[in-house]
Amino acid sequence: QAVLTQPSSLSASPGASASLTCTFLSGINVGTSRIYWYQQKPGSPPQYLLRYKSDSDKQQGSGVPSRFSGSKDASANAGILLISGLQSEDEADYYCMIWHSSAWVFGGGTKLTVL
Amino acid sequence: EVQLVESGGDLVQPGGSLRLSCADSGFTFSSHSMNWVRQAPGKGLEWVSYISSSSTTIYYADSVKGRFTISRDNAKNSLYLQMNSLRDEDTAVYYCARGGDGADYWGQGTLVTVSS
Repeated sequence: QAVLTQPSSLSASPGASASLTCTFLSGINVGTSRIYWYQQKPGSPPQYLLRYKSDSDKQQGSGVPSRFSGSKDASANAGILLISGLQSEDEADYYCMIWHSSAWVFGGGTKLTVL
Repeated sequence: EVQLVESGGDLVQPGGSLRLSCADSGFTFSSHSMNWVRQAPGKGLEWVSYISSSSTTIYYADSVKGRFTISRDNAKNSLYLQMNSLRDEDTAVYYCARGGDGADYWGQGTLVTVSS
């Protein structure tokens, strides 16, 4: 079983909001984890979006618009990347990452389609 | 401006060796931890290795432990990855990425192809 599970794809309309989930393996507590989110467009390296642990422990990447934000759903043991006011340029792959057992662990990524 | 530039990627036969480099500028290299992350063609991201700012702490993914060695030269603002006993499944774009608290800046990557 993967440590972090992301849906493989998600579609949303321009102007709408999209919630990308990153579900933790049972036994790993989302509440104590810093979750990092990255955006990757075809042919380009990943770009750091933000870090989220709590509303008092969060960081926005340099130049990243505020319409990208992080949160958690403790009941689902998941981290969430919320993108509001979707734009065509947001179409990309999105990855979550945590530090776990002396290793950085990535989720499998979600391909977001804006149409 | 932070810049990370990888080099050293090449076509190599299974069992061969390769050394990747990452030249860094635009920030105080010696103050930051660094990472190598790879991405196989059409696949997701896989963390490979981490090194602290003073090289005192090093971690490896299980998939490369015992075969890969990360190192750095703070005087040259450079990060390295020595890759030995290469396998087909090591074929990927290798990125260097800055940071111990996540990875906030990434290079453009260098392609390593392992094939006979």
